[in-house]
Order: sequence, then C-alpha cells, then structure tokens
Amino acid sequence: AQTVTQSQPEMSVQEAETVTLSCTYDTSENNYYLFWYKQPPSRQMILVIRQEAYKQQNATENRFSVNFQKAAKSFSLKISDSQLGDTAMYFCAFKKTGTASKLTFGTGTRLQVTL
Amino acid sequence: SAVISQKPSRDICQRGTSLTIQCQVDSQVTMMFWYRQQPGQSLTLIATANQGSEATYESGFVIDKFPISRPNLTFSTLTVSNMSPEDSSIYLCSVAQGRGNTEAFFGQGTRLTVV
Repeated sequence: AQTVTQSQPEMSVQEAETVTLSCTYDTSENNYYLFWYKQPPSRQMILVIRQEAYKQQNATENRFSVNFQKAAKSFSLKISDSQLGDTAMYFCAFKKTGTASKLTFGTGTRLQVTL
Repeated sequence: SAVISQKPSRDICQRGTSLTIQCQVDSQVTMMFWYRQQPGQSLTLIATANQGSEATYESGFVIDKFPISRPNLTFSTLTVSNMSPEDSSIYLCSVAQGRGNTEAFFGQGTRLTVV
C-alpha cells in the first residue's frame, strides 16, 4: 500500500516571497504519478501540478514547480512570487499507473499568504 | 478538463435519514470516484463507479451504507444511508481525464452536516 506524508500542517509566507511545501511518499511501484492539489475555502480541489515518475525533469507550471527526488521518494512544491490567492490547503497525492487506480492523499498543508 | 457539477452543495440532515448526492459531468467518462473528507482531514476514497457494473468499495466502506448508482457515462449518485453525526463530512465526486486519464478532476463537493 502507498502512503503519502506531509509533515507541515501549516505554513505562512509573505506576499511575493517563495515557499516550499514538503511531501514524502512510500511505494514499491516503479511507475506512478504524483500531484499537488490546492483546496481553497470554496472546497474545490484544483490540480496544481503533476509529475510522471519516469521523467527526471521536474515539472513546472508558471509560478509552481516541483523538486522530485525519486530515490528519496520526495516531492516538494515550490511556489514563487506568492499571491494572496494562493492561500489554501495543499494536498500531495500519489497514483499508480492505470486508469482504475485511486489517488492516495497526504494530510495536507494549510498555507497562509500574508501581506 | 471536465466540468463536474455536484448537488446539493450543502445540507443539514437529521440522524437516521438518507441523503443522495448527484454528480453530473459535461463529458462521457469511464470511471467516477467518490471521496470523503472528514473535518480537517484529507480525502479518502469511498468507491469507484463504472458505468454498467457495481461500484468497487474501499476497505471500511460498504454498499449498504453508501449505495452508488452509475446509470450512464455522465452521471452518478452517492447515497449516505441511515446517517449519524460521524457521517458529517465533505463528499466529493471525481473523474479521471487528461493525458492517459491520469489526472483527477473534482466537483465542488457536498458539505453534509448530520444533527
């Protein structure tokens, strides 16, 4: 079974600064996908970024980038130039390959962006 | 990405009653997923619903408590039966789409409070 661990329950960052959210996971699979989801107070789960395990290059999406360390089973999210709208819960998630496989979520990190 | 509509967005129910949550997708999808998010916690998969077959339930969830229907490729319902206060949670519908059906998209969730 897969497990996903987010060791930072809460974090705070000032607007325009950079923040890194940590995620580690445990799996015996070699091929899989990793995701970061954002859940603002509206409850909507929004996909922020995804990473395929077979790709060595770290994924980037505008201000969001990841540091994927497969050997260490680490998958951190870096948010650059933080904006007030980034305030939300952030969940790291794991998915085995195959369309029937479920998402396994971490416990989440609550990020507060302040002025 | 798919547009997923969930109804109701929230409800307050008496213990012992049942609530049916609807999930409508704007495109045909093979698999739909139902998650539960208990207060302050992460998401846990309840079951996977394929059109034309019985739903597959995760450990700890049973059909009698959470019956699911999947009458066509764009619609599913989840019923929370014989509710107790412990069932107070956010319930989210999800579909797999995107590249290789590896990305999960979510409805806005149903916030259920059982009194």
